[in-house]
Amino acid sequence: AQSVSQHNHHVILSEAASLELGCNYSYGGTVNLFWYVQYPGQHLQLLLKYFSGDPLVKGIKGFEAEFIKSKFSFNLRKPSVQWSDTAEYFCAVNRGYGGATNKLIFGTGTLLAVQP
Amino acid sequence: DTEVTQTPKHLVMGMTNKKSLKCEQHMGHRAMYWYKQKAKKPPELMFVYSYEKLSINESVPSRFSPECPNSSLLNLHLHALQPEDSALYLCASSQDGGPGGELFFGEGSRLTVL
Repeated sequence: AQSVSQHNHHVILSEAASLELGCNYSYGGTVNLFWYVQYPGQHLQLLLKYFSGDPLVKGIKGFEAEFIKSKFSFNLRKPSVQWSDTAEYFCAVNRGYGGATNKLIFGTGTLLAVQP
Repeated sequence: DTEVTQTPKHLVMGMTNKKSLKCEQHMGHRAMYWYKQKAKKPPELMFVYSYEKLSINESVPSRFSPECPNSSLLNLHLHALQPEDSALYLCASSQDGGPGGELFFGEGSRLTVL
């Protein structure tokens, strides 16, 4: 079965530190990859997504992610975090072939706390 | 603010009660989803409706009964729930049911079963 792993469950950083959150998935076929963010008390929002093309994708609020097919990875990065980035981050994957229903599978989430 | 509206935000019910969760979107999306999220866990897919037809049921117990009256509305009818069903229930929508679409989530309905 398809699965998504996020190895960092809880990350604490100081403001201006660099961030990298790991995401690995288990499905061997074509996939679409997403990072969602959930700020405290708010709904899940899309940060960025990868379907095809340039494996380095840029999202909102200065986030980017790199798809490395050989490693089945889609790590999220930000060069300099801010206190407002404190949130829970979810990696998510679905199969990338046409006609398939959108069955989005989420990773376990990473809780990021940024200290001012 | 999200464009997917869920009501109620909080619901407490007994094991013999019948209640419903409601979800509405006005983005013209044709696919709608129910996810369940337990504390400190990721959202887990329950149901997908695509063009008002149920396309995915992730082996959800029959005490949860989804309904899609039209493309803007999605309900989740609850009956004879168990305390372990207490969770945050998230509704989402996407433009269609295809695999590449972005899901837009509501803020969720937090359900407590006593």
